[in-house]
Amino acid sequence: DQQVKQNSPSLSVQEGRISILNCDYTNSMFDYFLWYKKYPAEGPTFLISISSIKDKNEDGRFTVFLNKSAKHLSLHIVPSQPGDSAVYFCADLTSGAGGTSYGKLTFGQGTILTVHP
Amino acid sequence: ETGVTQSPTHLIKTRGQQVTLRCSSQSGHNTVSWYQQALGQGPQFIFQYYREEENGRGNFPPRFSGLQFPNYSSELNVNALELDDSALYLCASSPKGESTDTQYFGPGTRLTVL
Repeated sequence: DQQVKQNSPSLSVQEGRISILNCDYTNSMFDYFLWYKKYPAEGPTFLISISSIKDKNEDGRFTVFLNKSAKHLSLHIVPSQPGDSAVYFCADLTSGAGGTSYGKLTFGQGTILTVHP
Repeated sequence: ETGVTQSPTHLIKTRGQQVTLRCSSQSGHNTVSWYQQALGQGPQFIFQYYREEENGRGNFPPRFSGLQFPNYSSELNVNALELDDSALYLCASSPKGESTDTQYFGPGTRLTVL
């Protein structure tokens, strides 16, 4: 089974600086990764994704990097803003086996990002 | 466009009871997935429904069951509640039933089992 690990429970950054959130995975067969952001009392919100045919994907202030040899991905937020303070989850999207076509997300434990004004 | 909604927001049950949680999909979405998020953990996949049939399941016992209705809304039923079932239950909908569809989450139902 795929495991997705976020080894940093929390990260504190000054407004305007770069935030770098990290994620490691175990199984190279799973090749589509996503980042979600979660505020208290809300569900996770999709941020950005990347597939294994790329090593970088950019959307505004958010960039995700994929290092397949190291089985590592990272999310960069530049510049960081106080409104970015939230829990960030990385997840891999697995297609179902046995002829089905379901998408199962396997999440890491999350990293709490705090951006100070 | 209405997003994913879930009810109730909070629920308190006692061990051994049964519970039903409800989810309304985002407009135009025909696939619903359910996740359990324990405190301090990431969400864990329970199962997914596509066009009223279960088409994928995670490592959860059979006392976790679900339904999807013709309007694509969904229910999660948990029988014989255990203390470890206390968690945030998240529902996510996606548009086309393709495995790579983005999943859009509701705010969740917080279940406490005493």
